[in-house]
Amino acid sequence: EIVLTQSPGTLPLSPGERATLSCRASQSVTNNYLAWYQQNPGQAPRLLIYGASSRATGVPDRFSGSGSVTDFTLTISRLEPEDFAVYYCQQYANSPPTFGQGTKLEIK
Amino acid sequence: EVQLVQSGAEVKKPGESLKISCKGSGYSFTNYWIVWVRQMPGKGLEWMGIINPGDSDTRYTPSFQGQVTISADMSITTAYLQWSRLQASDTAIYYCARWTSGYLVEWGQGTLVTVSS
Repeated sequence: EIVLTQSPGTLPLSPGERATLSCRASQSVTNNYLAWYQQNPGQAPRLLIYGASSRATGVPDRFSGSGSVTDFTLTISRLEPEDFAVYYCQQYANSPPTFGQGTKLEIK
Repeated sequence: EVQLVQSGAEVKKPGESLKISCKGSGYSFTNYWIVWVRQMPGKGLEWMGIINPGDSDTRYTPSFQGQVTISADMSITTAYLQWSRLQASDTAIYYCARWTSGYLVEWGQGTLVTVSS
């Protein structure tokens, strides 16, 4: 199974700043089959990015995904208050699909 | 509008059985696989397994194989997750989600299962 390692575990930033979240895979994620989700406390996860770089419907364009093979990045260009949440990456290239352990984006 | 509505929170004792549900609406239920995801308290997301409601073809992540049973009843557009003997370590929020080409667009609201003596 592909192990996804997200870093950092916690990222303290201020509104208006740029956030860069990393997801590293233990082996190649073919076809860039990688997704990113946002989870706010007490809520279900929300799909942000699929195919490593395609934004899901309704996702603001301040969110962008990039990367390939084993190294992927989620970038939030200018943080809004509602962006402070936990973010997970997920690969669907190999079975079973797996999630990273999450990055918590917190207000500094 | 696509919706997945899950059954309510449960409090059970160790050794008891449980079946929770996920009702889909707003789309052709048999055309999309349903995934179950576990989130233990304060922890991350874990992919448990997936079912094709059209023919009940089911795949489990190895760590959940034999621990739970996933099923579906397409006549009432509902998927299920069940345990025959709960343990305290089954305490978690369980989400169902609609599988779209590998990723999960629509999610249920989650069902909190608490197992405590």
